[in-house]
Amino acid sequence: KNEVEQSPQNLTAQEGEFITINCSYSVGISALHWLQQHPGGGIVSLFMLSSGKKKHGRLIATINIQEKHSSLHITASHPRDSAVYICAVRSYSNYQLIWGAGTKLIIKP
Amino acid sequence: EAQVTQNPRYLITVTGKKLTVTCSQNMNHEYMSWYRQDPGLGLRQIYYSMNVEVTDKGDVPEGYKVSRKEKRNFPLILESPSPNQTSLYFCASSPGQGRGYTFGSGTRLTVV
Repeated sequence: KNEVEQSPQNLTAQEGEFITINCSYSVGISALHWLQQHPGGGIVSLFMLSSGKKKHGRLIATINIQEKHSSLHITASHPRDSAVYICAVRSYSNYQLIWGAGTKLIIKP
Repeated sequence: EAQVTQNPRYLITVTGKKLTVTCSQNMNHEYMSWYRQDPGLGLRQIYYSMNVEVTDKGDVPEGYKVSRKEKRNFPLILESPSPNQTSLYFCASSPGQGRGYTFGSGTRLTVV
C-alpha cells in the first residue's frame, strides 16, 4: 500500500462545478503540500499545510491530522484549472517528500 | 524574480555520452533536490542536498551523480546515460524545514 494515496486518479467535470480531490497518508508528517502540474509540465506549489485550512483565490486546502487526510477544493472551476494535482507529505525526520500519484483534472467548457 | 532555473529544457542524447543538467536558485535556499517523473510512477527523488557539500541519495540514485559546491547550484550528472534514464527531470529548492518548495521548469531528457 502506498504511503500517500490520492483519489480520484482522474476527474472530468463541467465548468463551474465544485471540485474535491482527496489525499490520505499513513505516515507521521510535519507538513503536507499540494502542487499543480500544468499540461506543459511545470510544477507549482499551491499550499503547504500542517493544520487547519488555507485559501487562495478559488482554491481551498484542508487537513485533518488525526484522520491523516487532506482535501483540495476548487470552487467555480474553470478550464484553466485543468492540470494534475499532486499531494506530497514530508515526514517528521527530514525534508524528504513522499509523493502521491496525482489526480488528473479536466474541466470542460 | 525568485526562481529555480534548469537547463536545458529539452535534450536528446545518445547512450553513453556524458551530460550535465544544471540547476540554479537565486533564493539562498539551503535545500535542493532532483526528481524524475515517469508515467505511472509519479515523482521519485534522485538526490538531495541539505547544504553546501552535503548531498545524499534519494530513492533512485543509480546512474546519477550530483555536486553542491556552492549554495545556488546543484547540477545533475549522468556519466553514461542509458535509455532507461529517458524521463522528465525536476530540480527543486526549499529554504528549510517547515517551508515550501520552488520547482524548476523541468528538463525532458531522451536517451537513444
